[in-house]
Amino acid sequence: KAGVTQTPRYLIKTRGQQVTLSCSPISGHRSVSWYQQTPGQGLQFLFEYFSETQRNKGNFPGRFSGRQFSNSRSEMNVSTLELGDSALYLCASSLELTFQYEQYFGPGTRLTVT
Amino acid sequence: AQTVTQSQPEMSVQEAETVTLSCTYDTSESDYYLFWYKQPPSRQMILVIRQEAYKQQNATENRFSVNFQKAAKSFSLKISDSQLGDAAMYFCAYNNAGNMLTFGGGTRLMVKP
Repeated sequence: KAGVTQTPRYLIKTRGQQVTLSCSPISGHRSVSWYQQTPGQGLQFLFEYFSETQRNKGNFPGRFSGRQFSNSRSEMNVSTLELGDSALYLCASSLELTFQYEQYFGPGTRLTVT
Repeated sequence: AQTVTQSQPEMSVQEAETVTLSCTYDTSESDYYLFWYKQPPSRQMILVIRQEAYKQQNATENRFSVNFQKAAKSFSLKISDSQLGDAAMYFCAYNNAGNMLTFGGGTRLMVKP
């Protein structure tokens, strides 16, 4: 079974622009979570989507948004990019079988804002 | 809010030896899950081991085992017979509801040949 895939793997954007990242979960997984990883703040939860609905949200400004499609693929969008948004963005999917909440991660998208 | 603390930013172990990585957490919940993830230089997060809080028995996965002390809110990872491929960042993570992992700051493990 194919793992979680994320596209693109690397991205360079200019301050003020917007960006969209994509995540395809493991087949059959309906939950997709997004995390931001930076050297200063570590790994932080952004939001989670389940059956096309945002179920949980972390403490990030409204510039960070996301959505999930009927095939469980998810996108996250960051508008008006700031230098501090440079990070590795990780997507994780979960089957939620018996509520074990095991999450399986993709390889990440490295975003650089200049 | 839950917090996860990894007090060892870096650890070093000789190949074939045993090493223990520490993790403590703070929560008021009684039911939750704890995880150890490995992040090698490729940046791909890999699930190493999982522990359910309601289970008293410590989880084991091949060379990896945990020491779960619920009352002390401690969750350490023991790696036996360390291999060069074990070198990576290790993250302790907590989850009690939904898919919102709270991560510790990580421990960089170096394995010496």
